[in-house]
Amino acid sequence: EAGVTQSPTHLIKTRGQQVTLRCSPISGHTSVYWYQQALGLGLQFLLWYDEGEERNRGNFPPRFSGRQFPNYSSELNVNALELEDSALYLCASSIRGGSPLHFGNGTRLTVT
Amino acid sequence: QQQVKQSPQSLIVQKGGIPIINCAYENTAFDYFPWYQQFPGKGPALLIAIRPDVSEKKEGRFTISFNKSAKQFSLHIMDSQPGDSATYFCAATLRGGGADGLTFGKGTHLIIQP
Repeated sequence: EAGVTQSPTHLIKTRGQQVTLRCSPISGHTSVYWYQQALGLGLQFLLWYDEGEERNRGNFPPRFSGRQFPNYSSELNVNALELEDSALYLCASSIRGGSPLHFGNGTRLTVT
Repeated sequence: QQQVKQSPQSLIVQKGGIPIINCAYENTAFDYFPWYQQFPGKGPALLIAIRPDVSEKKEGRFTISFNKSAKQFSLHIMDSQPGDSATYFCAATLRGGGADGLTFGKGTHLIIQP
């Protein structure tokens, strides 16, 4: 069984630019979660999608957004990048509303 | 705000020792408590999990102890090995996963010295 896959693995962007990160969940999983892991801050919840709809979002500004496609894959978009957006962005999937979460290996975003 | 407080932030143990990582939670509605292990460059991977109807769960060298009245739980690693060196996160969630997935502790960076 393939795990959660994320692309790209690494990304370097300039302040003010926009970025799109992609995630494919485990087959059969309908929920996708996005987390930000910044140095020293642990895992911060960003967004939860299920059945194509945004179910909840964490305490992040609106320039963090995303969507889930009919095949349950997901994109995370970050507009107007700021230096403090530099972090590992992790995607996780689960059976709808269920535990446990299965994580991908993340996308390392560096904003210069 | 739902929180999970984890300690210590970092821990160094000699090979064969028993590192202990502690977590405390606030929301009594939490009913699923997993531990995740993360190696550098990788995403967190589920290590072991417990529900509040049991006080202890063992899987191999890893044991979770759970104290429902104190709202605390801990991870013990028996006969620790250098390969156990990683960052460990405790977490908590509501039945059915909860609206925001898991609430994580801030992590413990564990080093097992040979």
